[in-house]
Amino acid sequence: KQEVTQIPAALSVPEGENLVLNCSFTDSAIYNLQWFRQDPGKGLTSLLLIQSSQREQTSGRLNASLDKSSGRSTLYIAASQPGDSATYLCAGRQLSGGYNKLIFGAGTRLAVHP
Amino acid sequence: NAGVTQTPKFRVLKTGQSMTLLCAQDMNHEYMYWYRQDPGMGLRLIHYSVGEGTTAKGEVPDGYNVSRLKKQNFLLGLESAAPSQTSVYFCASSSGRNTEAFFGQGTRLTVV
Repeated sequence: KQEVTQIPAALSVPEGENLVLNCSFTDSAIYNLQWFRQDPGKGLTSLLLIQSSQREQTSGRLNASLDKSSGRSTLYIAASQPGDSATYLCAGRQLSGGYNKLIFGAGTRLAVHP
Repeated sequence: NAGVTQTPKFRVLKTGQSMTLLCAQDMNHEYMYWYRQDPGMGLRLIHYSVGEGTTAKGEVPDGYNVSRLKKQNFLLGLESAAPSQTSVYFCASSSGRNTEAFFGQGTRLTVV
């Protein structure tokens, strides 16, 4: 059974720091991995999608990498800002129980203070 | 740029009442999903649809029914609400089986 773990569970940093959020998965048979952002009381906003054949994706100050062989993905946030404060979720997509689904980690709660 | 829209955003039900949550997407996506998010449990798939007129069960389907009569809409029904169904419900859509998933803003449901 696929398990997705995110470390750390919470992170508090001063503005301007470069951050690395970690996501690990136990079953490497994933089609892709997607990173989301969730603000309190809000929905999930898609940040980056990495297909299993890719190594990384970049969008602005965000860079996500994927290493299927080691079961790891990282989300790198450059020059963090208070507006980056949110919970970050990773989700691996795979065939499980006869259907294709996203399996989510519990998230990393990020606080960036001025 | 509406994307995925959920109605309503908040609802309080009494045990035994029924209700329908509506999800609408304007991206012409084939795939649509209903998830629930609970503290300590993360997001879990309730039901999904791979196209108009089709539905299938996810990992926690009991107590819920769904319909996809139109491609752009995916309805989630609770026939007889129970306190265990208190949760935040999210709808999502994607163009294909392994493509990017887009989520709605959620419906916060409380069953008393």
